[in-house]
Amino acid sequence: EPEVTQTPSHQVTQMGQEVILRCVPISNHLYFYWYRQILGQKVEFLVSFYNNEISEKSEIFDDQFSVERPDGSNFTLKIRSTKLEDSAMYFCASSAKATNEKLFFGSGTQLSVL
Amino acid sequence: GQNIDQPTEMTATEGAIVQINCTYQTSGFNGLFWYQQHAGEAPTFLSYNVLDGLEEKGRFSSFLSRSKGYSYLLLKELQMKDSASYLCAVSPWNNYGQNFVFGPGTRLSVLP
Repeated sequence: EPEVTQTPSHQVTQMGQEVILRCVPISNHLYFYWYRQILGQKVEFLVSFYNNEISEKSEIFDDQFSVERPDGSNFTLKIRSTKLEDSAMYFCASSAKATNEKLFFGSGTQLSVL
Repeated sequence: GQNIDQPTEMTATEGAIVQINCTYQTSGFNGLFWYQQHAGEAPTFLSYNVLDGLEEKGRFSSFLSRSKGYSYLLLKELQMKDSASYLCAVSPWNNYGQNFVFGPGTRLSVLP
């Protein structure tokens, strides 16, 4: 089965530093997402992306966050100035359609902000 | 507002049947999904309901009642590998992508 790939699997950074999390969605999918899961808590929606622009974002996705599709295959999440509370598992996901369609999740990037 | 409730933990015995309930109140509804998540791993898709009734898929079945804001996931012939968290997620009505609202997850422990 095709899969979403994410790199790196673990990222450790100092508070205030910028990080970029990378994802390669499934090749024929058009809708891309970032979710995060703080340890022991529920999975939370961050942002959805379609046709090279953000289609929806949550309250978590503030000015410190940005997403980009720099080429035809990669989808990135940038956190400009990391905070301790940004420590979480970040999941990239993709789907072929906007609605009534399961999401395929990547294996995640565990971000630790020290 | 969006709210999804699930029991926090459940325990069952290998070979048994277990039912995991989910209740939801969301601003719109465009389907309910069940995902399985092993510790430290990504959620993987199990089932999807958009109309009322039962969807069966091998050892897993999922039921939906939209009028009651209620769903359950039924797991039969439990195996040790079914020990995981089970996430209920609702897709609110949205034409621009699926900003799933996830429940807190139910951690299932299958005992020998």
